[in-house]
Amino acid sequence: DGGITQSPKYLFRKEGQNVTLSCEQNLNHDAMYWYRQDPGQGLRLIYYSQIVNDFQKGDIAEGYSVSREKKESFPLTVTSAQKNPTAFYLCASRDRGFDQPQHFGDGTRLSIL
Amino acid sequence: RKEVEQDPGPFNVPEGATVAFNCTYSNSASQSFFWYRQDCRKEPKLLMSVYSSGNEDGRFTAQLNRASQYISLLIRDSKLSDSATYLCVVNPRDNYGQNFVFGPGTRLSVLP
Repeated sequence: DGGITQSPKYLFRKEGQNVTLSCEQNLNHDAMYWYRQDPGQGLRLIYYSQIVNDFQKGDIAEGYSVSREKKESFPLTVTSAQKNPTAFYLCASRDRGFDQPQHFGDGTRLSIL
Repeated sequence: RKEVEQDPGPFNVPEGATVAFNCTYSNSASQSFFWYRQDCRKEPKLLMSVYSSGNEDGRFTAQLNRASQYISLLIRDSKLSDSATYLCVVNPRDNYGQNFVFGPGTRLSVLP
């Protein structure tokens, strides 16, 4: 079954700790994205990658880092520099072509302990 | 002006009603458009792409007006299960290539 898998579903971070959110896709999509959603708010782009070994900052990249060593994987690290990390994190991927939609994983909820 | 704006909502409608959502976008070069639905505490799911000629999928009809830079979504015969937030999404095809711009969403509650 093709799709996007995010793990874990729930994650708790202690003060000063870095945590990594996993995103894996088996759709053979080139582009992958990370979004953050706060309660009652819209999606905000953190990072995106259009190809392996390349990624770009989105609108709210500060306090986050990513890597794209494999086409199917795009992990997001929430660093201790991100002072307000509590949010719903969504990973998406997309095939080439301007008319191709984004497809989302089912998200990771991150909270501060 | 925000890149993508939507009706502020919420919309509260009885079952069986017809409801329409509007969305405007600022980048006239935008090439592709989509409607997603997002249930509470869930990921957005693609509802339908929006084509220049307009398109229909069952009870859902999407229209695009490039001249006025707006997109609409019409839901006929509303069901309780239609209750969700509807997101208008635009691919602006700017220098960032494949980035999408998401509207803030319009919340729909279908009441029994």
